[in-house]
Amino acid sequence: EVQLVESGGGLVKPGGSLRLSCAASGFTFSSYSMNWVRQAPGKGLEWVSSISSSSSYIYYADSVKGRFTISRDNAKNSLYLQMNSLRAEDTAVYYCARDLFRYDSSGYWESWGQGTLVTVSS
Amino acid sequence: EIVLTQSPATLSLSPGERATLSCRASQGVSSYLAWYQQKPGQAPRLLIYDASNRATGIPARFSGSGPGTDFTLTISSLEPEDFAVYYCQQRSNWHSTFGGGTKVEIK
Repeated sequence: EVQLVESGGGLVKPGGSLRLSCAASGFTFSSYSMNWVRQAPGKGLEWVSSISSSSSYIYYADSVKGRFTISRDNAKNSLYLQMNSLRAEDTAVYYCARDLFRYDSSGYWESWGQGTLVTVSS
Repeated sequence: EIVLTQSPATLSLSPGERATLSCRASQGVSSYLAWYQQKPGQAPRLLIYDASNRATGIPARFSGSGPGTDFTLTISSLEPEDFAVYYCQQRSNWHSTFGGGTKVEIK
């Protein structure tokens, strides 16, 4: 069974930093592109960042480019999101999501974690 | 950025009725469109990808149509567990975007 477990969320002051982690199990992690998607309280979904299976391709939403860094450690079956210069508008539940297909980055997300809440407030 | 506009914002229907949800893209996205279902307190669930392909384990009452700029998700006969929020998502470039969602509520 595919499992994605996010951690690292919490309360941080504006301008602060936070590092999210996503522990993957139940599938060959190194074969799949991985993604972060967020959802502000009571709002819709927003794609944040994607990383290909070998980290060769990395993409960011304009709203986080230059502040967030996605990375992965295939040996540890883990995905990360380093978030710097955090703003109030970054407050959201952050989901880790696995691509639908092995090897080929489909851009669709079949498996999701339960999310971790990041609150940016003074 | 490709903007996806979903309509209606809320759909009030009874179990057994047919639901038709719309998603309009600000520019053509070919067939690179997906639909997700989200229930309160849960992560989204992929229903449809490439406009009309059902994801693994998704019941046949869910169907999608496209391509181009106007897409539709149809639920042929609503079951009690189908009342939820539905989002469309495009991936025509590597900057994916979501629509604002349609809430399907019990009438």
